[in-house]
Amino acid sequence: QVQLQESGPGLVKPSETLSLTCTVSGVSISSSYWSWIRQPPGKGLEWIGFIHYGGNINYNPSLNSRVTISGDTSKNQFSLKLSSVTAADTAVYYCARAPTHIAARHFDYWGQGTLVTVSS
Amino acid sequence: DIQMTQSPSSLSASVGDRVAITCRASQSIITYLSWYQQKPGKAPNLLIYAASTLQSGVPSRFSGSGSGTDFTLIISSLQPEDFATYYCQQSYSTPWTFGPGTKVEVK
Repeated sequence: QVQLQESGPGLVKPSETLSLTCTVSGVSISSSYWSWIRQPPGKGLEWIGFIHYGGNINYNPSLNSRVTISGDTSKNQFSLKLSSVTAADTAVYYCARAPTHIAARHFDYWGQGTLVTVSS
Repeated sequence: DIQMTQSPSSLSASVGDRVAITCRASQSIITYLSWYQQKPGKAPNLLIYAASTLQSGVPSRFSGSGSGTDFTLIISSLQPEDFATYYCQQSYSTPWTFGPGTKVEVK
C-alpha cells in the first residue's frame, strides 16, 4: 500500500526558507513523478513542481527562482525548499505521486497535507 | 501556461440528482485531463484520469468525457458522500494546472 507523509515546521518566519519532507512507503521513489502541491486556506490547488528519477526536475515558473525539490533514494524521501517566503506562501502543502506508465499524468496518491503558516 | 476554467463555480443539488461539471482548457490538451474530489480538511482524491478512465475503487456513478478543450464530469445519481469540491487538472504541459474548483452543496 502506497503511503505519503509530509513533515516539517508548521510555522516559518517571513524571508526565511520553508523546508518540508515527504516520506514514501510502499513504492520506491526511483520510479514515478513525485510532486509538491499547495493550497492556500479556502483557495484552489497549485502545482509547485516534480522530481523524476529519469533525471527530470520541473518547477512551476511562478515559483521557479525560489523552489528546490530534491530526493533521497536511500531514505525513500523527497523534499521541498521554498526560499524568501511571505504570507502569500501560507498554505497546506501536499506531496503526491503521478505514475509514469500513463502519459496523462495524474496524482493517484497524496499525503494528508501539512499546514505551513508564514508569520513573524 | 494552460489556463483551466470550471463551471459552475458552485451548485446546489439533491441526493439522486444527475450533476454535470464542465472544465475548459485555454488550448487543446487532448485527453490529458484528470478530475479530483476534495472534502474539507482532506487531500484531493483522484476520480478520473485521461479524461474518461475511472480510477480503481471509484464508484461507477462518476464518469468523465471530452477531448481537446472541453471536458465534463458527470455524477449520475448524487449520493450524500458526494457533496464536496471538484477540481480538474491538466498534464498536457508544465506547469500542470488545476481548475478553480466546483463546490457541490446540498439543496
